Amino acid sequence: AQTVTQSQPEMSVQEAETVTLSCTYDTSENNYYLFWYKQPPSRQMILVIRQEAYKQQNATENRFSVNFQKAAKSFSLKISDSQLGDTAMYFCAFMNYGGSQGNLIFGKGTKLSVKP
Amino acid sequence: DAMVIQNPRYQVTQFGKPVTLSCSQTLNHNVMYWYQQKSSQAPKLLFHYYDKDFNNEADTPDNFQSRRPNTSFCFLDIRSPGLGDAAMYLCATSPRREGGTQYFGPGTRLLVL
Repeated sequence: AQTVTQSQPEMSVQEAETVTLSCTYDTSENNYYLFWYKQPPSRQMILVIRQEAYKQQNATENRFSVNFQKAAKSFSLKISDSQLGDTAMYFCAFMNYGGSQGNLIFGKGTKLSVKP
Repeated sequence: DAMVIQNPRYQVTQFGKPVTLSCSQTLNHNVMYWYQQKSSQAPKLLFHYYDKDFNNEADTPDNFQSRRPNTSFCFLDIRSPGLGDAAMYLCATSPRREGGTQYFGPGTRLLVL
């Protein structure tokens, strides 16, 4: 069974600085999808970024980028120029390719606090 | 704006008293998911609908049921809530199961007294 591990329960960063959140996963599959979701306090979960495993190029979305290391089964999220609105719980998630469920398997999350 | 709506946002029920949580979407997505998220934990999938096809996770208790009367609406029924069912319940939709991004509603926080 696939598992997702986020080893940093909490992190903090100063506004405007860069922070990297770690995620590792375990799978025997070659093709899959990886996601980072953000869940702000008392607000809904939203997609930050996604990566298809068959793509070698790391995904980027404005200030958010990933470092996808397939061999190491690592999928870290880098947030550049951190803003107060980035304060949230961040979940790394895995989805199998070709599965019949479309089931997201989440890590336990990293609580990020951006300090002014 | 197209969105996923959950009602109510907060629900208080009594031990053993049936409760229904509601989810609606304006995205016209085929797939709808229900997750349970307990405090400081990751969301856990309970079940999902692919169109009208219901798919239950193997470890979802029988106490949890779901209905999807049409594309837009999906309901989560908890037949006899226990104290351990207190959690945030998240509804999500996706245009497809295969690699589809899931769009989440704001959640319903359930308290069981």
